[in-house]
Amino acid sequence: QVQLQESGPGLVKPSQTLSLTCTVSGGSISGGGYYWSWIRQHPGKGLEWIGYISYSGSTYYNPSLESRVTISLDTSKNQFSLNLNSVTAADTAVYYCVRDYKRRFDYWGQGTLVSVSS
Amino acid sequence: DIVMTQTPLSLSVTPGQPASISCKCSQSPLHSDGKTYLFWYLQKPGQSPQLLIDEVSSRLSAVPDRFSGSGSGTDFTLKISRVEAEDVGVYYCMQGLHPRTFGQGTKVEIK
Repeated sequence: QVQLQESGPGLVKPSQTLSLTCTVSGGSISGGGYYWSWIRQHPGKGLEWIGYISYSGSTYYNPSLESRVTISLDTSKNQFSLNLNSVTAADTAVYYCVRDYKRRFDYWGQGTLVSVSS
Repeated sequence: DIVMTQTPLSLSVTPGQPASISCKCSQSPLHSDGKTYLFWYLQKPGQSPQLLIDEVSSRLSAVPDRFSGSGSGTDFTLKISRVEAEDVGVYYCMQGLHPRTFGQGTKVEIK
């Protein structure tokens, strides 16, 4: 059974960089043709796809966030990471790491709340 | 981007009664491979979303058969034939072309 777990600071200051890591267990991050996505949910709101990284390291970002986002892969640790720079209060959200398989999101982490505040 | 519009945004249903949620896409989520990448998710209170319906109408194995998905082109529907208490939560449609986008969500509660 694949499991994903987000980790990282719960509080980030405005203008700084939000950094989260997702640890994948129960399967290899570099096998199976899977893609690995980040999705966020603003408090009480809907879902916004941030972007993905493929098993081979190629990336695709939501154009609305592309200028500030980097997603990377660490196959030695079976992890992938999200960096979102120049954050503002509008980036306060629950961030989910998700397995993206054939265009559907089939396994989700539990989510981690990141607040942007001074 | 494909804009996904769900209606209604909230639904209060008597247990045992049916429910229906509409999802209209600004463009068809039909890919050049011939597949229509339209999915339905349920986010139960306090939980992460879970995939219910795959590629318009394929119910995942653990999903009760009272759930069904249908539609084509730009119009899709999720139906619950007889709502149960465990079905409460927010339902989202999602399309799998680039960039992936979700509907606003439909909150289902029990009367």
